[in-house]
Amino acid sequence: DQQVKQNSPSLSVQEGRISILNCDYTNSMFDYFLWYKKYPAEGPTFLISISSIKDKNEDGRFTVFLNKSAKHLSLHIVPSQPGDSAVYFCAASGVPGNTGKLIFGQGTTLQVKP
Amino acid sequence: DAEITQSPRHKITETGRQVTLACHQIWNHNNMFWYRQDLGHGLRLIHYSYGVHDTNKGEVSDGYSVSRSNTEDLPLTLESAASSQTSVYFCASSESLAYTDTQYFGPGTRLTVL
Repeated sequence: DQQVKQNSPSLSVQEGRISILNCDYTNSMFDYFLWYKKYPAEGPTFLISISSIKDKNEDGRFTVFLNKSAKHLSLHIVPSQPGDSAVYFCAASGVPGNTGKLIFGQGTTLQVKP
Repeated sequence: DAEITQSPRHKITETGRQVTLACHQIWNHNNMFWYRQDLGHGLRLIHYSYGVHDTNKGEVSDGYSVSRSNTEDLPLTLESAASSQTSVYFCASSESLAYTDTQYFGPGTRLTVL
């Protein structure tokens, strides 16, 4: 049972445009959400996070939006750059009893075309 | 030097053989995790440890074992390798049990079981 879902395996955007990556979750107990970025032959690296008490968190070109009622979060990258081409994983945590553990989505491969 | 290392980076083995993947972190983090990454599944938790001599099963632990004899290392052992265990394996660590704490990942080990 996939508790965190990224339904788009891939996304292609033009350089300078907005990239929107989506993530849905099923467990309403999740309290904290993260996005990780992964380049080929490297490990995932933390990108941005959001607590369930917020609906938006911004860090430079990256903004994460959280809609708790819809159990949906999205990552916006504006403007997109070729160096943003990578696999993006969303993850969730905070369920009581699951201390320190992250539940990851399947990942979305973003390609930013020059 | 890399803060969290994995070795080997690539491994080819035969069905039935025992294989051990190494993970070493220099931060003295209490928490360490092993994940496998497969297409369509994202990152799935295999085993994790909250400290020396502590080990716990994750979502996909069958056929794998870990031991934690010191803070820095969490080796992952495949007792009898199977073709279904062909995957990319990532080790991660985090400092505290706060669910907001970031996990830091190693570069990964690509394992092929023939």
